[in-house]
Amino acid sequence: EAGVTQFPSHSVIEKGQTVTLRCDPISGHDNLYWYRRVMGKEIKFLLHFVKESKQDESGMPNNRFLAERTGGTYSTLKVQPAELEDSGVYFCASSHGFGRKANYGYTFGSGTRLTVV
Amino acid sequence: AQKITQTQPGMFVQEKEAVTLDCTYDTSDPSYGLFWYKQPSSGEMIFLIYQGSYDQQNATEGRYSLNFQKARKSANLVISASQLGDSAMYFCAMREGQGNTGNQFYFGTGTSLTVIP
Repeated sequence: EAGVTQFPSHSVIEKGQTVTLRCDPISGHDNLYWYRRVMGKEIKFLLHFVKESKQDESGMPNNRFLAERTGGTYSTLKVQPAELEDSGVYFCASSHGFGRKANYGYTFGSGTRLTVV
Repeated sequence: AQKITQTQPGMFVQEKEAVTLDCTYDTSDPSYGLFWYKQPSSGEMIFLIYQGSYDQQNATEGRYSLNFQKARKSANLVISASQLGDSAMYFCAMREGQGNTGNQFYFGTGTSLTVIP
């Protein structure tokens, strides 16, 4: 099966501009997650979708970040306006169902490296 | 408080030798899962191994084993017979509420492993 796909793989934008990151989860995965790693720090949770609904968005840093998941398929994460501290690698992951076996079904994408200058 | 602590920013190991990557965790939830992920230079996050908090035996997956010491709250990754392809960043992670994929991952800051020929 195809993995979790993220694009762009890299993005360099100026402070104040808008950037939209996209994540295509594995087909059939209801759960979709966004994480971010700022250079040198740990990977931190941003939010979690179950299908098209936001299950948990407690990790979203501020209202400059907007995540959507149209029709429960792909998801977008928009940063508007971007600030210097938004630079980092944004990971998307998807999983399906519950239970022990689901622990092995949590698949990450390769990430989008965002640089705000 | 940090949920996952990885105290080794960088490690070197001779090819064919074994190496231990340290990870300690902090949780008051009796049910949790511990994970290790590998991130090569290509960027994707590759699942390596999983240990459930109620598992009696240490998890093993090929050359990877997880040294789970519950009382000490440590979950060290042991890589046996290191190969050049093992050079990568390694992340320890925890999810509280075993079996429930709806809960977020907590990650450490990662350990960069370099295998020397």
